[in-house]
Amino acid sequence: KNEVEQSPQNLTAQEGEFITINCSYSVGISALHWLQQHPGGGIVSLFMLSSGKKKHGRLIATINIQEKHSSLHITASHPRDSAVYICAVSLIQGAQKLVFGQGTRLTINP
Amino acid sequence: DGGITQSPKYLFRKEGQNVTLSCEQNLNHDAMYWYRQDPGQGLRLIYYSQIVNDFQKGDIAEGYSVSREKKESFPLTVTSAQKNPTAFYLCASSIDPTGLLGNTIYFGEGSWLTVV
Repeated sequence: KNEVEQSPQNLTAQEGEFITINCSYSVGISALHWLQQHPGGGIVSLFMLSSGKKKHGRLIATINIQEKHSSLHITASHPRDSAVYICAVSLIQGAQKLVFGQGTRLTINP
Repeated sequence: DGGITQSPKYLFRKEGQNVTLSCEQNLNHDAMYWYRQDPGQGLRLIYYSQIVNDFQKGDIAEGYSVSREKKESFPLTVTSAQKNPTAFYLCASSIDPTGLLGNTIYFGEGSWLTVV
């Protein structure tokens, strides 16, 4: 079993829909990262969380440390949000390394 | 603007050849990382460096080598010993080498390596 599991693996929605991507982890962490990978391959860091909730524009990330679960929400989704979204965790032991989920491929249709 | 530059974007290698992927950052970050991405899999750590002239093996270091002679540069050599080198390679950096502060990690645009 992977230490970081994302769901769903693939998600297709219509423009304007509210999107939720989930991430569960089974190890102790110092932080959780949400990343966005463009079709060309480059990766951008969206959020880094250690507790609570963060918001940036139409993106919201939450984390529940007790349940070892995080969600990434996209409000009023747009075709330009189409990308692969990756959850990654910094381990408490060996925190300089990240453990990555397999990613969620999101497609927003106009 | 500060960032990470990887080159080349696309590289073709003949079997038996070594190739070197370049990674340069002007963010003044101490920590640098190389990851490999294969279809349907999460990123896997090849090597990381927390400080100049020091580096550590990651989870899949066999067939790869690195150097860290300068803070801003962390080149990755894919040697002929790497049996399945065709993949997407990503370089990354972060300001805190221990990772204990949970710092944001910055990625390059990646390099596609294909063995022909």
